[in-house]
Amino acid sequence: NAGVTQTPKFQVLKTGQSMTLQCAQDMNHNSMYWYRQDPGMGLRLIYYSASEGTTDKGEVPNGYNVSRLNKREFSLRLESAAPSQTSVYFCASSAYRGANTEAFFGQGTRLTVV
Amino acid sequence: QKEVEQDPGPLSVPEGAIVSLNCTYSNSAFQYFMWYRQYSRKGPELLMYTYSSGNKEDGRFTAQVDKSSKYISLFIRDSQPSDSATYLCAMSAGGGSQGNLIFGKGTKLSVKP
Repeated sequence: NAGVTQTPKFQVLKTGQSMTLQCAQDMNHNSMYWYRQDPGMGLRLIYYSASEGTTDKGEVPNGYNVSRLNKREFSLRLESAAPSQTSVYFCASSAYRGANTEAFFGQGTRLTVV
Repeated sequence: QKEVEQDPGPLSVPEGAIVSLNCTYSNSAFQYFMWYRQYSRKGPELLMYTYSSGNKEDGRFTAQVDKSSKYISLFIRDSQPSDSATYLCAMSAGGGSQGNLIFGKGTKLSVKP
């Protein structure tokens, strides 16, 4: 089982460039999430999609956009990358958006903006 | 004050030691508590889940929740080098708009052979 797959695993961008981080899950989960993880800051929620066709802002949405392409795929777009967006990005999914459901995480995308 | 506080460590212990990891929180509405384990350069994975107050045991791992003190703990007995990882506490108030998990910063644990 692949679980949650993120692409790419590593990326270096120049300030002002744009890119899309891809995420796909094969567990038939309804809810998907994008987090960023920074040293000393822990995991912070960027955007989430409670179900196909819906997206909502999390704690740190500025500078990002998302698309829930279908039930399997949830992408994160940086329109104009900034050095402050250097981070490790994790996609996660859960059966539904409830506090008692397990979130499954991908392997992460390490993004550096220079 | 952040909603969830967790000592980032690092914490280094000898093999076989009992490890205690802790988080405090400020939101009294939290009632779902989780511990995730994250190995280096990997995504977090769920280790323990507890609803409301009380203890839960799973093998060498015990999770405790004290809602009156807004304090949760994870105990690891007979620690092994394979337990070396970052442990993140996470908690949530429930469904709807409060269903998002709030994570602590994580405590990095190293178990020395």
